[in-house]
Parts: sequence; structure tokens; C-alpha cells
Amino acid sequence: GAVVSQHPSWVICKSGTSVKIECRSLDFQATTMFWYRQFPKQSLMLMATSNEGSKATYEQGVEKDKFLINHASLTLSTLTVTSAHPEDSSFYICSAADQAGISYEQYFGPGTRLTVT
Amino acid sequence: DQQVKQNSPSLSVQEGRISILNCDYTNSMFDYFLWYKKYPAEGPTFLISISSIKDKNEDGRFTVFLNKSAKHLSLHIVPSQPGDSAVYFCAASGMNRDDKIIFGKGTRLHILP
Repeated sequence: GAVVSQHPSWVICKSGTSVKIECRSLDFQATTMFWYRQFPKQSLMLMATSNEGSKATYEQGVEKDKFLINHASLTLSTLTVTSAHPEDSSFYICSAADQAGISYEQYFGPGTRLTVT
Repeated sequence: DQQVKQNSPSLSVQEGRISILNCDYTNSMFDYFLWYKKYPAEGPTFLISISSIKDKNEDGRFTVFLNKSAKHLSLHIVPSQPGDSAVYFCAASGMNRDDKIIFGKGTRLHILP
């Protein structure tokens, strides 16, 4: 099946610094990728839709200037958490759909654990 | 307003018995429904899906039932196995590949020995 990777798998950063998380589709192309955040009670919240070659579409309540998304190519999207605060500590997951696939499935990355101290 | 609801945060089932996970949705525009399984510190993995034109889809031990009139779907796992212990997310989407997926809050399933 299609594989999506994320890097890093975990990161610890100091408050006020920025952190970049990469999401890559390893064996397929994706014009659209999605970024999710998992909250403590296990719910998954869609943060934004990342579109290759254009601006990301953010969900209501998600700060565009804080969570910068760049979809530089058909296989790479990045999420940058700027001026990180402890409340940004969370598990961030990306997903992508195979544009060439015949069935509808989204493939998820393994997630990135962010801890802001 | 939550469009996809999983009202049971947790469920415990004896090994070998049937596990039934429930999900309700409010948006009648949803065309496609999915179940994902998630272990701690890992991304969700796709389990099974169903389109709105069907009322049942079966894949091995997993069966998903859809009741469109009630806007309700359920996932049946039978027989339940220890490795099924995880968080299960119900999700809904449109039919297009690039449609975003709306997740429920998840139900933690514990399979008891």
C-alpha cells in the first residue's frame, strides 16, 4: 500500500522557537495533503488542507500565521509551528490521497510528537 | 457543532465476543464513511469503508453497517481479539478523493482476556 512518512517522529523545542514537520508521500503523488492534530482525549482535528502550488485552506479556529503550511511538490508538505508555546504540544498527523489510485483511501503518516518546554 | 459523533468514549469486550462500535452523523451530504484504528503514538490505519449507496460492507472479521435514514453507522468486530484493543475512529467524507475527512472523537476498545 501507499506510504506516507513524517519527519521528525518526535521533537522537543523551547518556547518561542519554531519547528518544521515534513510529510512525504513515498510512492505516490498527492496534490492534496491534510494536517491533523490529536488532542488528549484522542480526537483528531483537521487543521488545514495543503494544496500543491497554492495556499493552504485552514479550518476555523486554526491560526494561519502560527501554523504555516507549504506544499512544495506533489510529494512533500511541511507544517511549521512558529513561536511555539507549551499548549502547542501535541501529536501532529498528516495524510494524503493517491491521485492515481482507483479507490478512495487516505494514507496517514506515523505522526510527529511535539513537546514544547 | 460536531458532525460525526461517537458517544461512547470507551468499550470493554471479552475476547472472542462481538465488539460493536457506534457512530452518528448529522450532515446528510456525507457520501462515504470510514473506520480507522489507532494505536498510541501512531497514525491511524484504515480499516473498512462504506459508500452511501450500500448498507453493509464486510471484510474478514470487520463489518460496517450504514443506516442512512437514522444517520447511523456501526462497526462490528467478530470475534474480538486482543490485538483489536485500540482507539477506533469513525469518519465521514464526500465522494471526491480530495474531500476532507471529518473524524469522530474515537472510542477506545479494550479486549478483555
